[in-house]
Amino acid sequence: AQTVTQSQPEMSVQEAETVTLSCTYDTSESDYYLFWYKQPPSRQMILVIRQEAYKQQNATENRFSVNFQKAAKSFSLKISDSQLGDAAMYFCAYRSGGGTSYGKLTFGQGTILTVHP
Amino acid sequence: DADVTQTPRNRITKTGKRIMLECSQTKGHDRMYWYRQDPGLGLRLIYYSFDVKDINKGEISDGYSVSRQAQAKFSLSLESAIPNQTALYFCATSDPDRHNEQFFGPGTRLTVL
Repeated sequence: AQTVTQSQPEMSVQEAETVTLSCTYDTSESDYYLFWYKQPPSRQMILVIRQEAYKQQNATENRFSVNFQKAAKSFSLKISDSQLGDAAMYFCAYRSGGGTSYGKLTFGQGTILTVHP
Repeated sequence: DADVTQTPRNRITKTGKRIMLECSQTKGHDRMYWYRQDPGLGLRLIYYSFDVKDINKGEISDGYSVSRQAQAKFSLSLESAIPNQTALYFCATSDPDRHNEQFFGPGTRLTVL
């Protein structure tokens, strides 16, 4: 079974600075997807970024980018120019690319990000 | 209007009571999921359904049951609630045409006293 580990229960950053959230995963599969979700105090789960394992290029979405190290099974999220609205719980998630996966997600424990003005 | 809705949004119940959490979606997706969120544990999969006739247990299905009444509706039941089922519950759908991207409902906060 796949596992996802977020070793940082809490992180903090000053507004306008850069912060990196860590995620490692364990799998024997070669075809999979990795995700970062944001959960603000509203509880809504918001997809931040997605990475396909077969792509060597790291995904980017505006101020959000990932460092995908497939051999090391590491998938970190970098938030540049942090804003107060970035304060939230962040979850790393894994999904098998196989057809029998049913699209199920395996989540990490979450990292609470605090942004200081 | 939201594409994935959950009712109720918050619920307090007592140990031993039967409770149903409901999920409806207007996205037309066949695949639906129930997850539970606990502090320090992230979200864990309870049940998932590929279509109306296909229902599968997730990693923590004990104490729960589900019903897929239609493509658009997927309900989660706690037959006899216990305090350690106090959690935040999420329903989600996924779109196989978009890399199985999951779309989450707003969550139901359940407290079992």
